[in-house]
Amino acid sequence: EVQLVQSGAEVKKPGESLRISCKGSGYSFTSYWISWVRQMPGKGLEWMGRIDPSDSYTNYSPSFQGHVTISADKSISTAYLQWSSLKASDTAMYYCARLSGLYGFDFDYWGQGTLVTVSS
Amino acid sequence: QSVLTQPPSVSAAPGQKVTISCSGSSSNIGNNYVSWYQQLPGTAPKLLIYENNKRPSGIPDRFSGSKSGTSATLGITGLQTGDEADYYCGTWDSSLSALGVFGGGTKLTVL
Repeated sequence: EVQLVQSGAEVKKPGESLRISCKGSGYSFTSYWISWVRQMPGKGLEWMGRIDPSDSYTNYSPSFQGHVTISADKSISTAYLQWSSLKASDTAMYYCARLSGLYGFDFDYWGQGTLVTVSS
Repeated sequence: QSVLTQPPSVSAAPGQKVTISCSGSSSNIGNNYVSWYQQLPGTAPKLLIYENNKRPSGIPDRFSGSKSGTSATLGITGLQTGDEADYYCGTWDSSLSALGVFGGGTKLTVL
């Protein structure tokens, strides 16, 4: 069974760093890109970026470029989303999702989400 | 402001049909496949339609997708109360290094 299991909820202060994780199982982790998606409270989905776990090649949305880092450790089938200096506006639910196809915007499996709360 | 435009809300009675539109441009919908996602309250999104009009296994044929030019449409027939959810379209945008874009989402209310 394909699963993406994300790390638990986090409460952080502005300026702190954070790394959340997404562990894939039940499939060949290096065969599918992983994307991260943000959902701010009461708002819609925002595509943040993607990583090819086979070589860690990444693409970022301009909205997130320079503020977050997406990485992966293929030896443990885990992707990461990282901040070096959190802001209150980073408070959101973050989902990882597996990109199923070569050409389409098809995310066939999703993690359960990680809620990040940034507050002083 | 999302690159893809969806109506904020739609509503219909149980058993009826509803359509949700998604409008874009030649750099996104016009030249790329469109997917649709359903997000039930408090849950992760779920893939409903991929490559414009294909359904993953387990998705009932009450859900359908189509694309014409720079717009796409999600159709849902035989509405059920369990269909109340937020629906998002999504695609790649070729104008900026093949970045992903979602529509703003549409809240479906089954009256």
